[in-house]
Amino acid sequence: SQQGEEDPQALSIQEGENATMNCSYKTSINNLQWYRQNSGRGLVHLILIRSNEREKHSGRLRVTLDTSKKSSSLLITASRAADTASYFCATDQGGSEKLVFGKGTKLTVNP
Amino acid sequence: DTEVTQTPKHLVMGMTNKKSLKCEQHMGHRAMYWYKQKAKKPPELMFVYSYEKLSINESVPSRFSPECPNSSLLNLHLHALQPEDSALYLCASSQRQPPDGYTFGSGTRLTVV
Repeated sequence: SQQGEEDPQALSIQEGENATMNCSYKTSINNLQWYRQNSGRGLVHLILIRSNEREKHSGRLRVTLDTSKKSSSLLITASRAADTASYFCATDQGGSEKLVFGKGTKLTVNP
Repeated sequence: DTEVTQTPKHLVMGMTNKKSLKCEQHMGHRAMYWYKQKAKKPPELMFVYSYEKLSINESVPSRFSPECPNSSLLNLHLHALQPEDSALYLCASSQRQPPDGYTFGSGTRLTVV
């Protein structure tokens, strides 16, 4: 079953602009993670935010978490063509052994 | 070594064949996972191994048979697959449970003909 639902499903922006992707989930979580997947390849872990955190930064990435709304957002600032990829949120389910991935946002950054 | 290595990268097999996918990590991670990903879809969990024991099987058909011979190695044995099983098969590992983050391999692109 899919836990996270990202929106938008697809996003196309120009290099230098910011990209914001949102994720909603349904059950309680211990943490929420974001991953990037370049076309047809493995996923790369970007950032993890715990349920008691509201915001986290890593380089050009900013993640927020609102547990009351069961939602998270990923902001990529000053985007580059190399950021073109699919982005997935993933949630544990209250500390279970598995991560469940959302449907993903396909980001295209045009040079 | 901070990688998860999957072999082969590509595999074409007939419906009567038996083949195996291999996944290896030398990071000391004690949890390993198989995911299946169809085109334009998110990865879907198949199996979880924790300390070399199968802890989760997401109701995967028996034509997929996982094996964890040791803490560094994870196999997925394939037998009598169907064309709809064609997908990208991803292996991942994590240092702890619940996982703080996965390290993924680059996947095996499987085509069943």
